[in-house]
Amino acid sequence: ILNVEQSPQSLHVQEGDSTNFTCSFPSSNFYALHWYRWETAKSPEALFVMTLNGDEKKKGRISATLNTKEGYSYLYIKGSQPEDSATYLCAFPNNAGNMLTFGGGTRLMVKP
Amino acid sequence: DTGVSQNPRHKITKRGQNVTFRCDPISEHNRLYWYRQTLGQGPEFLTYFQNEAQLEKSRLLSDRFSAERPKGSFSTLEIQRTEQGDSAMYLCASRAGGAGTDTQYFGPGTRLTVL
Repeated sequence: ILNVEQSPQSLHVQEGDSTNFTCSFPSSNFYALHWYRWETAKSPEALFVMTLNGDEKKKGRISATLNTKEGYSYLYIKGSQPEDSATYLCAFPNNAGNMLTFGGGTRLMVKP
Repeated sequence: DTGVSQNPRHKITKRGQNVTFRCDPISEHNRLYWYRQTLGQGPEFLTYFQNEAQLEKSRLLSDRFSAERPKGSFSTLEIQRTEQGDSAMYLCASRAGGAGTDTQYFGPGTRLTVL
């Protein structure tokens, strides 16, 4: 069973603040790491697939970095907006690529 | 909207009843996955299909859980003799490719409450 952990579990920030959270995963047999954003009452939305050590990906104000040697990925949100309020999940595929093991998520709440 | 739909969105049932949920994947996706998410946890893998073949079912939580994908298109997840511990969000996902780098596209889930 893979151990994928996220911290913090929840985060309250003010509009305009920049924030970041962490996903840690097994550093051996790394294949890929997925980030999702899950807003209440909606489908989880794919943000990034990270594959290479040192990868940095960006989508608007959200970016992610990857360190496969030490087994962590950071997700950054610059200038948080209330619409960024969601649960952010990271997920690690098994070797066969046919199932994802998710972390517990970071619940972000951005106050106007 | 990811293109994956699930019905119903909410289901309230009494303990001991059977429930069935439906997932309609993105039409060209041959792989379909079921996950369960309980409060405060991330989604937990249950089972998956490639076309109509169920290739992994060891993670189904008990023999009360079963899933089908009879024609390789939509899928159903059935829970028999529901228990209060079955209360959770049941998510379905689909994708075209089978590599770990290929994105799984999720539906909005079915929230089950067992009274």
